[in-house]
Amino acid sequence: EAGVVQSPRYKIIEKKQPVAFWCNPISGHNTLYWYLQNLGQGPELLIRYENEEAVDDSQLPKDRFSAERLKGVDSTLKIQPAELGDSAVYLCASTSGTANTGELFFGEGSRLTVL
Amino acid sequence: AQSVTQLDSHVSVSEGTPVLLRCNYSSSYSPSLFWYVQHPNKGLQLLLKYTSAATLVKGINGFEAEFKKSETSFHLTKPSAHMSDAAEYFCVVRRGSNYQLIWGAGTKLIIKP
Repeated sequence: EAGVVQSPRYKIIEKKQPVAFWCNPISGHNTLYWYLQNLGQGPELLIRYENEEAVDDSQLPKDRFSAERLKGVDSTLKIQPAELGDSAVYLCASTSGTANTGELFFGEGSRLTVL
Repeated sequence: AQSVTQLDSHVSVSEGTPVLLRCNYSSSYSPSLFWYVQHPNKGLQLLLKYTSAATLVKGINGFEAEFKKSETSFHLTKPSAHMSDAAEYFCVVRRGSNYQLIWGAGTKLIIKP
């Protein structure tokens, strides 16, 4: 069974440029998460989807971040414009069921460097 | 409010010796607790979970953790460290009302040959 796939693995951009990350969850997993992870810290939730509905986006900086999950499968996370402080690893995770069971399956992450 | 404190940012042990990674939590009711592992440049992986069944939980790769309500702890242990255990370990508590996960800051486990 394929795991959670994220792309790109690495991205270097200049500040004020846009960037987008893509995530393909495990087949059949209806719950999808985007996390941000800074160096030496634990992941911080950005947004959680149940199917195509964003059920928790309270921590998403909506002035520059946006996300979508069309058809309840793949998801994209966009930053526009990027700032220096956005340099981090962006993690996607998925799980089956509608509740946050805590058993998440993670992709390898997309590492963003903003210059 | 729930929170998680990992008491050590780094733990260094010799190969073949026991591993202890400490985690304390605060919760107003019985929590669900998890340990995740993150190897360099790899995705996070669930090691084990506690969800109000047996207080001693066994996970993958020989790890186990004991839930101690009186001490509000959920320490992770392994009898004998292996070089492949070198990674970052995260303790996680699940917030019951809306199922949010609260992550600790992580403990980096270093294995000396």
